[in-house]
Amino acid sequence: GQNIDQPTEMTATEGAIVQINCTYQTSGFNGLFWYQQHAGEAPTFLSYNVLDGLEEKGRFSSFLSRSKGYSYLLLKELQMKDSASYLCAVTHGGGGNKLTFGTGTQLKVEL
Amino acid sequence: GAVVSQHPSRVICKSGTSVKIECRSLDFQATTMFWYRQFPKKSLMLMATSNEGSKATYEQGVEKDKFLINHASLTLSTLTVTSAHPEDSSFYICSGLAGETDTQYFGPGTRLTVL
Repeated sequence: GQNIDQPTEMTATEGAIVQINCTYQTSGFNGLFWYQQHAGEAPTFLSYNVLDGLEEKGRFSSFLSRSKGYSYLLLKELQMKDSASYLCAVTHGGGGNKLTFGTGTQLKVEL
Repeated sequence: GAVVSQHPSRVICKSGTSVKIECRSLDFQATTMFWYRQFPKKSLMLMATSNEGSKATYEQGVEKDKFLINHASLTLSTLTVTSAHPEDSSFYICSGLAGETDTQYFGPGTRLTVL
């Protein structure tokens, strides 16, 4: 089966940097996605990693290590509007394009 | 980016009635769409994979006769919750595959409340 772990909650200060970790065990890994979800809304796509390394996109960066089954999402210059749930999801062998989601990390940005 | 719409955004119905939810890809063609449900403070649970022109593939434990899926065109998939009961109350979200990386882009969701 597939198993994806993320911290349940994190708190950070406006203007700071926060790193949200995700570890996974899957039967045949294809790629890893990060989504942002505000309460009561659908997830919005943030990033996609398939190769090892860092993908940077503005204030958000995502890192992947396939050998370690590990990824992180890095958020810089935090803003209050970044308070949301961050979902790590993987696609895996035999699953086609199906996403298996982690439970999500609820990030709270404080003044 | 790819845009997906859902209709209605919110629906309240009586127990025993059926509810249809539409999912449309607005600026791309989606051969494959997915239907999820999400309970409060929980992650998304995949219900089924909807393929244009063929039968949907349901996840284990999802009743295909209760959750009817039709994907008649490359831009429209529908989910019908038949004989809805209060335990079917949930947030239903669809997504479509787009782009070279086959990224899933999500609709805004439909909140279903069954009284």
